[in-house]
Amino acid sequence: DAGVIQSPRHEVTEMGQEVTLRCKPISGHDYLFWYRQTMMRGLELLIYFNNNVPIDDSGMPEDRFSAKMPNASFSTLKIQPSEPRDSAVYFCASSSDRDSEKLFFGSGTQLSVL
Amino acid sequence: QKEVEQNSGPLSVPEGAIASLNCTYSDRGSQSFFWYRQYSGKSPELIMSIYSNGDKEDGRFTAQLNKASQYVSLLIRDSQPSDSATYLCAVNRGDMRFGAGTRLTVKP
Repeated sequence: DAGVIQSPRHEVTEMGQEVTLRCKPISGHDYLFWYRQTMMRGLELLIYFNNNVPIDDSGMPEDRFSAKMPNASFSTLKIQPSEPRDSAVYFCASSSDRDSEKLFFGSGTQLSVL
Repeated sequence: QKEVEQNSGPLSVPEGAIASLNCTYSDRGSQSFFWYRQYSGKSPELIMSIYSNGDKEDGRFTAQLNKASQYVSLLIRDSQPSDSATYLCAVNRGDMRFGAGTRLTVKP
């Protein structure tokens, strides 16, 4: 299995621009999580899906952030407009229904907003 | 109070020593606990899980859980330079919450 695939690996953008991060979970996994990691706040859960349905988005910082999962093999996290404080590493993770607590992480997207 | 708290470190131990990593959590209803290892510039990977009070051993790693004290720890015996990484404590309280991590350096 290729594992969780995220793109892009690095994104540099200017304040005010729209940013879209992409994630392909492991085939057959029913849960998909978006996390953000910074030195100050550590690894924070933003939102998670079960069977493509958003279950808890209470971690989404504000309305500038949105996430979708149109099908079982693809999810996006969008920031519009982006701000410098959004600079972080964004991780996508997935897990199966049978072992939902074992998270497999993608390689992450390093986002820099200038 | 943070949901999951860890000493940020850094923690430095000599090769061959025991490294002890600690974690406390705030939600008494939490039932399952995990340790993830994250090498610099890489993603977290699961190394241990524990669900019951007491110790759980896996090779050089031992996880310890005390639900009454809301305390989880990870012991690494015979530490190796390859163990140098950040160790993240995670607690499942309906969703997976992580501590900020403790950075461990094992010196040859």
